[in-house]
Amino acid sequence: ETGVTQSPTHLIKTRGQQVTLRCSSQSGHNTVSWYQQALGQGPQFIFQYYREEENGRGNFPPRFSGLQFPNYSSELNVNALELDDSALYLCASTEASGYEQYFGPGTRLTVT
Amino acid sequence: GQSLEQPSEVTAVEGAIVQINCTYQTSGFYGLSWYQQHDGGAPTFLSYNALDGLEETGRFSSFLSRSDSYGYLLLQELQMKDSASYFCAVRYNTDKLIFGTGTRLQVFP
Repeated sequence: ETGVTQSPTHLIKTRGQQVTLRCSSQSGHNTVSWYQQALGQGPQFIFQYYREEENGRGNFPPRFSGLQFPNYSSELNVNALELDDSALYLCASTEASGYEQYFGPGTRLTVT
Repeated sequence: GQSLEQPSEVTAVEGAIVQINCTYQTSGFYGLSWYQQHDGGAPTFLSYNALDGLEETGRFSSFLSRSDSYGYLLLQELQMKDSASYFCAVRYNTDKLIFGTGTRLQVFP
């Protein structure tokens, strides 16, 4: 069974640019959630996708958007990057009606 | 609003028992989860309480009291590898997780 994978591992972008982060869910999981984790803080919920539809959103602006594909892989897109977007971005997959979320290793985004 | 408070840091020695508390100001959630995160690593699931009471999983136990808006994670027979950050998180419908502030546990020999 393959775990949750994310790419890239690290990324450096300039303020104002756009970025796309990718996540491959654990086999059989149809729900994926994205989190932002600033240094020294807990993960903050960005949004969740279930069967390719957004299924809940945290307190993040519309420039944070996502997609989930038929194979349950997903993307997080961030437009107009700001310095405060520098963080570890985590995706987590869950099987239907499950309470355990399986996290990927994350993408470390640095905005300069 | 939704907030979960934890002590920022806890220290203990190998073989000891440590309790990490989580107090929250939120409602309408399905259950309370605990996750462990080593430096540079991903959060990994430890325990989940859907109902009030104690759940035991090996060396780790977790407790929830909805009437007291309180939960805790109990780690027994501490090992050096238990040095990590620990997060409580409330789970809502749609499996959305709201994480606490996190507790950094340092285990000394």
